[in-house]
Amino acid sequence: NAGVTQTPKFQVLKTGQSMTLQCAQDMNHNSMYWYRQDPGMGLRLIYYSASEGTTDKGEVPNGYNVSRLNKREFSLRLESAAPSQTSVYFCASSGLAWGPTYEQYFGPGTRLTVT
Amino acid sequence: ILNVEQSPQSLHVQEGDSTNFTCSFPSSNFYALHWYRWETAKSPEALFVMTLNGDEKKKGRISATLNTKEGYSYLYIKGSQPEDSATYLCAYVTDSWGKLQFGAGTQVVVTP
Repeated sequence: NAGVTQTPKFQVLKTGQSMTLQCAQDMNHNSMYWYRQDPGMGLRLIYYSASEGTTDKGEVPNGYNVSRLNKREFSLRLESAAPSQTSVYFCASSGLAWGPTYEQYFGPGTRLTVT
Repeated sequence: ILNVEQSPQSLHVQEGDSTNFTCSFPSSNFYALHWYRWETAKSPEALFVMTLNGDEKKKGRISATLNTKEGYSYLYIKGSQPEDSATYLCAYVTDSWGKLQFGAGTQVVVTP
């Protein structure tokens, strides 16, 4: 099993450009998440999907959109990148069902720089 | 925005020494608390999911305790080894769906 995979691993964008970060999991998990990690701030939730067909905002959703394409895939789109979106982005998945006791499994991360 | 605080921010430990550090979280509407270990250049990996007041969990030389009434959890490393060097994250479950609020982490460096 590959677990959680993310593409690309690295990306440099100019301000105003758009891009989509891809995430896929092969563990048959229901819930999927997108986080950003900034120095000294820990992981902050951008969007999550509790189950296929549903998405909801997290703590820092502004400037992002998501699509839960199917049970395996959850993509994050930056429509017009800004320097404040320079960060490391992690996708995670959890649970054969939603709930508080399911640990999350993380992908390898995407390092995004916006100039 | 809920506050999950971890202290200290970083620790330097000699190989063989034991250490512990704290995660503080809101004590109301408790669902669960997660601990993750995050090694440099890797992804966070789950250590423990703790749900009950008084819970104690153990994995090898690492253990954790939980006090939901006062809103804190301790993580202990016994006989630290260089491979224990990592950032340890705690995450408070904010709702019944399992959304997590992460602390900023405690970075542990174990020197031989």
